[in-house]
Amino acid sequence: GAVVSQHPSRVICKSGTSVKIECRSLDFQATTMFWYRQFPKQSLMLMATSNEGSKATYEQGVEKDKFLINHASLTLSTLTVTSAHPEDSSFYICSAPPQGLKNQPQHFGDGTRLSIL
Amino acid sequence: RKEVEQDPGPFNVPEGATVAFNCTYSNSASQSFFWYRQDCRKEPKLLMSVYSSGNEDGRFTAQLNRASQYISLLIRDSKLSDSATYLCVVSRGAAGNKLTFGGGTRVLVKP
Repeated sequence: GAVVSQHPSRVICKSGTSVKIECRSLDFQATTMFWYRQFPKQSLMLMATSNEGSKATYEQGVEKDKFLINHASLTLSTLTVTSAHPEDSSFYICSAPPQGLKNQPQHFGDGTRLSIL
Repeated sequence: RKEVEQDPGPFNVPEGATVAFNCTYSNSASQSFFWYRQDCRKEPKLLMSVYSSGNEDGRFTAQLNRASQYISLLIRDSKLSDSATYLCVVSRGAAGNKLTFGGGTRVLVKP
């Protein structure tokens, strides 16, 4: 069964709307979670590293004020796309490494397909 | 130059045939290597980790060549269900560190 739950799976909304995406680790604690974005026919690109209890670390070129990340607990990270525009339409996906287990592959959420009209 | 590069394909493979493809990585500090499979409009799913000595999981064989900085994946006796995009994934540290994805190699298995 899924060990990382991502919600919602699909969002369609108007330009200017802010959209919140949740990523939950279901049966393990995740002090770190990663947020990726994938445009059509492209690979996953890391956007930011979400750190429990501290600020997220953003990759170069990713606007931290546009993509707000909150990691308030050991099982939940949220990504908010603020004032979304059509160019933000993409597949957003989170991942979480099992805490305390070195070299164990990360678990991915099911992804959120965001469409901004 | 991309940190992880793959031939995008598609590789058109007759059912039952063998297909192999590589992935090159540029950062010699990379430590962990994986092959993920991604179906259309779905999240990536781990296919297998890649170990230094090479490893096999059923019909899938992965090899790592640190000297030349490439990873390979071989699929034997291809099934129609093997049709997918195969993502080469590299981490500089342990698996819990940031992952860098290749662009993916698309494989189409045909009857």
